[in-house]
Amino acid sequence: QVTLRESGPALVKPTQTLTLTCTFSGFSLSTNGMCLSWVRQPPGKALEWLALIDWDDDKFYTPSLKTRLTISRDTSNDQVVLTMTHMDSVDTGTYFCARMRTGSAFDVWGQGTMVTVSS
Amino acid sequence: AIQLTQSPSSLSASVGDRVTITCRTSQDISIALAWYQQKPGKPPKLLISDASSLQNGVPSRFSGSGSGTEFTLTISSLQPGDFADYFCQQFDSYPPITFGQGTRLEIK
Repeated sequence: QVTLRESGPALVKPTQTLTLTCTFSGFSLSTNGMCLSWVRQPPGKALEWLALIDWDDDKFYTPSLKTRLTISRDTSNDQVVLTMTHMDSVDTGTYFCARMRTGSAFDVWGQGTMVTVSS
Repeated sequence: AIQLTQSPSSLSASVGDRVTITCRTSQDISIALAWYQQKPGKPPKLLISDASSLQNGVPSRFSGSGSGTEFTLTISSLQPGDFADYFCQQFDSYPPITFGQGTRLEIK
């Protein structure tokens, strides 16, 4: 059974750095074509893709946030980590990790973790 | 970036109705389009990939069609559990992967 689980702080202060972890099981991120992404959703709003890391350790970022984002993987612990610097209130929302294969849709999602940015 | 425009943004319908949601893309993406359903407090659920390929376990009242720049999601006979938000997403060209702004399907 494939599962994804996000973890991280529920509250961060403006200007701080957010670190989120996606712990996965049931598949290997080293499998050819496998990818993990982070997607966020402000309350009541649309989904926004943030970053992707693939089986070959290639990394892709949404252009508007590229300077603030870093995605990395810990293959020994089956985890993918996202860091986002200079957090602001507009970054408040639910952050999801999601699995995809190259050239395909997101077939498995974590439950999401809600992050509030407030002083 | 490929822009996705969904219409309508909200829709009121009754159980048993047939509804159609449209997603238009700013450039040709062939069939690299997915549809998701999202209920409050839950993650999105993949309904359809490759424009028309129904995912395992998704009821056959859901169907997708289209190619190029225009796509539709149709629910043939609405059931109570179908009232939710629906999003389209393209995976033809990234970064960035992009989503539509969503359609809220409400009970009339």
